[in-house]
This record gives sequence, structure tokens and C-alpha cells, in this order.
Amino acid sequence: QVQLVQSGPEVKKPGASVKVSCKASGYTFTSFGITWMRQAPGQGLEWMGWISGYNDNTNSAQKFQGRFSMTTDTSTSTAYMELRSLRSDDTAVYYCARRRYPNDYWGQGTLVTVSS
Amino acid sequence: EIVLTQSPGTLSLSPGERATLSCRASQNISSNYLAWYQQKPGQAPRLLIYGISSRATGIPDRFSGSGSGTDFTLTISRLEPEDFAVYYCQQYGSSRSTFGPGTKVDIK
Repeated sequence: QVQLVQSGPEVKKPGASVKVSCKASGYTFTSFGITWMRQAPGQGLEWMGWISGYNDNTNSAQKFQGRFSMTTDTSTSTAYMELRSLRSDDTAVYYCARRRYPNDYWGQGTLVTVSS
Repeated sequence: EIVLTQSPGTLSLSPGERATLSCRASQNISSNYLAWYQQKPGQAPRLLIYGISSRATGIPDRFSGSGSGTDFTLTISRLEPEDFAVYYCQQYGSSRSTFGPGTKVDIK
């Protein structure tokens, strides 16, 4: 069965960077992209961007451009997202999802806490 | 960026009642690329509907989607206890996808 398993919670100081992984299984990784989204505490969902599963194509929300990047490792069927220059308002649960219909399977979420 | 507005913010209903949730877009959504998700506390969202009206795998037929252009509706024909949750619409017709703010369906 399709599964996306994300890395564990992170606590970071303002100005630091965080890298979250998303390991896919149960399907051919290169057949679908991975979308990244986040949800601040008590708030709604925010689309961050997506990356192709078979080439380096990416597309991201304008508000994150410059400090947000996505990569994949097809040898391990793992996607990564990195967010730099963290601020307190980046505190959120970060989700990856398979990019199909448009997002049919989701990871369990990774809580990133930014605090001094 | 396409802005999605959902109404009402909260819908208080009893089990067995019909729920009608609205999602309005700031501009036409191309190729019918409008989806609905359900989210329960502490869980990841679950895809319910894609392409305005197609149910995702395993979604019961009490969930239905409709609409076109800029106005869309999610209908739950008879609320079951497990349906009380937050519902989000998402457009994926533009190069950058966006979500609505959500509608909470709670028990009256």
C-alpha cells in the first residue's frame, strides 16, 4: 500500500534551517511528484510547492521563494524540503503528499517548532 | 493567486442531517481542478473529492461535489458521527495551488 513516512519533530532557533524528509513506498516514486504543505497551530492548510518525482522540475509559492527548496533522491524514494532563515511564524506541521488528484496520499506530518 | 473563500465558517448540525458547504474562487478554476479534503484533529487531511465531483478511493457515496466556474459545493447527504471534522477546498488549476480557510462541521 502507498505510504509516505516523514522524519521526526524538529526544534530550531530563529535564523536556522530545517530539512524534512518524506520516504515513499508502495508505488513507483518517479511516476508522481511530491507536494509540500504546512499548517500552523490552529490554522488552515498552506500550499508550499511541489517537485517532480522523475526530473528536477519544481514550483513553489511566491512567499517562500528564496528560502525554500525541494529535492528528491530517487535511489531511496525520498523527497526532502528545506526551509531556511526560520522565523517564529514558520512554526507548523509540515506535510508531504503524493501529487495525484491532486494529493491522494499524505505523510503523517512533521512538527517544526521555531523558538529562541 | 486564486483566493478561495469557504462558507460558513462553522456549521452546527445533528447526525443524520444534510450538510452543504460552499467554496467560492476569486477567478474561474481551469480544467475543473477543484478538490475537497476532510481533516480531523491530529490527523493529516484526507482527499474526498477531486475534479469537482469525483470521489476518491474508498469515499462513501454520501459525499458529493458539484459546481463550476467559481462556485462549488460539497454535500454530505446524511451526517454520520465520523463526519464531524474540518473541510477544506483546494484549487489546483493554476500553477500555484491554494486552499480555502476551511469549514468546521460540529455537532449541534
